[in-house]
Amino acid sequence: AQSVSQHNHHVILSEAASLELGCNYSYGGTVNLFWYVQYPGQHLQLLLKYFSGDPLVKGIKGFEAEFIKSKFSFNLRKPSVQWSDTAEYFCAVSISYNTDKLIFGTGTRLQVFP
Amino acid sequence: SAVISQKPSRDICQRGTSLTIQCQVDSQVTMMFWYRQQPGQSLTLIATANQGSEATYESGFVIDKFPISRPNLTFSTLTVSNMSPEDSSIYLCSVGRMNTEAFFGQGTRLTVV
Repeated sequence: AQSVSQHNHHVILSEAASLELGCNYSYGGTVNLFWYVQYPGQHLQLLLKYFSGDPLVKGIKGFEAEFIKSKFSFNLRKPSVQWSDTAEYFCAVSISYNTDKLIFGTGTRLQVFP
Repeated sequence: SAVISQKPSRDICQRGTSLTIQCQVDSQVTMMFWYRQQPGQSLTLIATANQGSEATYESGFVIDKFPISRPNLTFSTLTVSNMSPEDSSIYLCSVGRMNTEAFFGQGTRLTVV
């Protein structure tokens, strides 16, 4: 069965530190890739997405992610985090062009301290 | 984009009872999805709600426990039946269009006591 793995369950950083969250998926076919963020008490918001083209995608709030097909990875990065980035981050994969059904990773809780 | 409204936003229910959650979308969509987010965990897809046919359930979820209706292209309901404390979760409705992002409702926070 298809799956999405996020290896970092809980990340603690100081402001201005760099961030990289790992995401790997298991599926040999064409995929669409997403990163969603859930701020405390709020609903899911899309950070960025990849469908095709340039494997380096830029999203909102200074986030970016790189799709490396050979590694089945879609890692999220931000060069300098802020306290307001404290949230839960979910990687997700859609493996069907017809349904847009998402398979989510287990999530990474990011805490940023001033 | 799509705006999704879910009702209720939260509820506290007695075990053994049932709760029906409504999801209304501001535009017509072919597929609607129901997810569950258990405390401290990620989202798990319960089922895909198809208009005009029965819902398609994921492994581990059954129609008797989570009956779904999809009477038209903008509305769906999910019922959590014969609830137990283990059903305490956030239930989310989602819609997506081909090669676009998925949009989520604000969720229904269910507590079963």
